[in-house]
Amino acid sequence: QVQLQQSGPGLVKPSGTLSLTCAVSGGSVSGSHWWSWVRQSPGKGLEWIGEIYLSGGTNYNPSLKNRVTMSVDKSKNQFSLNLNSLTAADTAVYYCAGMLVAMDVWGQGTTVTVS
Amino acid sequence: DIVMTQSPDSLAVSLGERATINCKSSRSVLNTSNNKNYLAWYQQKLGHPPELLIYWASTRESGVPDRFTGSGSGTDFTLTISSLQAADVAVYYCQQYYSSPYTFGQGTKLEIK
Repeated sequence: QVQLQQSGPGLVKPSGTLSLTCAVSGGSVSGSHWWSWVRQSPGKGLEWIGEIYLSGGTNYNPSLKNRVTMSVDKSKNQFSLNLNSLTAADTAVYYCAGMLVAMDVWGQGTTVTVS
Repeated sequence: DIVMTQSPDSLAVSLGERATINCKSSRSVLNTSNNKNYLAWYQQKLGHPPELLIYWASTRESGVPDRFTGSGSGTDFTLTISSLQAADVAVYYCQQYYSSPYTFGQGTKLEIK
């Protein structure tokens, strides 16, 4: 059974870049899942950030498109999120997730504070 | 973007009673080519990530108790919990994956009366 383990800093500075990684276990990052990032803040609820597939194909939320980059590292069996030009509005819990049909597997979440 | 609107925002139900949560999409999420509704339901308990309950509007994820039932088509959907258990206290979200950006409802908080 696929499991996801997130890592990355919990505190980042305004105008800086957030970098989060999601390690895949019990399966391959090159498997059938599309790999997504979702964030959750009290003000905006659950917000889909974007997704990436093994071929490197990406699909980003237009509201964040200019600031988001996602990548897959097959050698490390993991995928990553970079979000730049951070403001306080980016403060949220960030989740990685895997999507076969819907999001059937989730990481534990990383609380990110921009300050 | 497709806007997902849930009702009610919060709900208190007695143990063993039925709980009903509604979700309405601003546009149809039915793909007429395969007759599938691109609608999922998630359960989120405090301090945990969301957990998939239902996809294709009515297909239960493996391991989900059969007291959870999803129904509806097009723009109107319902999640029904037939006999509420204490373990069902959570926030429930609907989500459309018909078109990008995938969007979620605002959530319905379910409590015990």
